[in-house]
Amino acid sequence: GQQLNQSPQSMFIQEGEDVSMNCTSSSIFNTWLWYKQDPGEGPVLLIALYKAGELTSNGRLTAQFGITRKDSFLNISASIPSDVGIYFCAPRNYGGSQGNLIFGKGTKLSVKP
Amino acid sequence: DADVTQTPRNRITKTGKRIMLECSQTKGHDRMYWYRQDPGLGLRLIYYSFDVKDINKGEISDGYSVSRQAQAKFSLSLESAIPNQTALYFCATSDLAGARTGELFFGEGSRLTVL
Repeated sequence: GQQLNQSPQSMFIQEGEDVSMNCTSSSIFNTWLWYKQDPGEGPVLLIALYKAGELTSNGRLTAQFGITRKDSFLNISASIPSDVGIYFCAPRNYGGSQGNLIFGKGTKLSVKP
Repeated sequence: DADVTQTPRNRITKTGKRIMLECSQTKGHDRMYWYRQDPGLGLRLIYYSFDVKDINKGEISDGYSVSRQAQAKFSLSLESAIPNQTALYFCATSDLAGARTGELFFGEGSRLTVL
């Protein structure tokens, strides 16, 4: 079966530091999404990537869709306390009868002021 | 008020009891989903529905059933709860545009503990 690996599992950083996390898969996908779950809330979409090699930014967030279509990374620059939460990659293959998201196991981010 | 509302938010029950988690949405979306979140395991899809007459099994449907009573309502039932169904459950919705983009809108979650 397909494997989806997200790393690191957790990170403890100081405010102001940059953060990098990634996901790798044994399967090819045509969409990579990144969601964030704030403590006590449901996940919210941060960034969506639809093309291999695509690099997209959203404020302090930058994400890339790997050229092999089997991986993606998310970077957060100059972290702040509200960046605390769990970040999930969520690839899928849109089209056909399925196309549901597959969620990674998450990267739990803690930011020390 | 939240666009996707789950009830109850917290529930403690005993092994063998029947439990229903309810989800209602005011977003007007056709598609509704139930996910389960366990620490360190991410979110796993239990069931999903693309409209009122459509029910589909997800990755981990065993031990669960669902009912789509109306476009805005999607309930998840555990007929006979067992301790390994202790988890945080999320309802999510999307519309056709969301189906293309992959954007799901999640409720705040229902924490279920089975003793």
